[in-house]
Amino acid sequence: EAGVTQFPSHSVIEKGQTVTLRCDPISGHDNLYWYRRVMGKEIKFLLHFVKESKQDESGMPNNRFLAERTGGTYSTLKVQPAELEDSGVYFCASSQVWGHYEQYFGPGTRLTVT
Amino acid sequence: AQRVTQPEKLLSVFKGAPVELKCNYSYSGSPELFWYVQYSRQRLQLLLRHISRESIKGFTADLNKGETSFHLKKPFAQEEDSAMYYCALRWLRGGADGLTFGKGTHLIIQP
Repeated sequence: EAGVTQFPSHSVIEKGQTVTLRCDPISGHDNLYWYRRVMGKEIKFLLHFVKESKQDESGMPNNRFLAERTGGTYSTLKVQPAELEDSGVYFCASSQVWGHYEQYFGPGTRLTVT
Repeated sequence: AQRVTQPEKLLSVFKGAPVELKCNYSYSGSPELFWYVQYSRQRLQLLLRHISRESIKGFTADLNKGETSFHLKKPFAQEEDSAMYYCALRWLRGGADGLTFGKGTHLIIQP
């Protein structure tokens, strides 16, 4: 079974540019999560989707970040415009059902804003 | 708000020695605690969850609600245990949930 995949693995952009990160969860997993780890800090929750619905986006840093999950399959996280402090590793995770709990993580996308 | 604290950024022990990675938490609800591990060049993966009360790769962790702790232990460390270890707490809010992580402990097992 394929695990959670993320694309790209690494992205280097200039301040002010736009970047879109993609996450493909494990097939059949309704729950999809985005997390972020910035340098020297802990891994932090960004948001939670159940199918195509955002259940909680309290962790999104500001309105430069937009997450979507059209059709309840893959998800995208867009940063527009990117700032230096957005640099970090963005993780995606998915879980099958809400009660049976294990989050499976993707390899992460390393975003570098210069 | 919930919080997870891992006081040790780095822990270095010799092969065969006991290991204890500390984790303390604060949460107003009923806590669900996990240990995740990230080996070099691999993705984050679940090691243990307190609900299961199981031993994985020789590791155990007991939830102590009185001390609000969930320390990870192994009696005899092996070199392949070298990795980053993250303690995490699952929070619930309406129909949403998520994980709050500690900052992680880098465990190095010396030969």
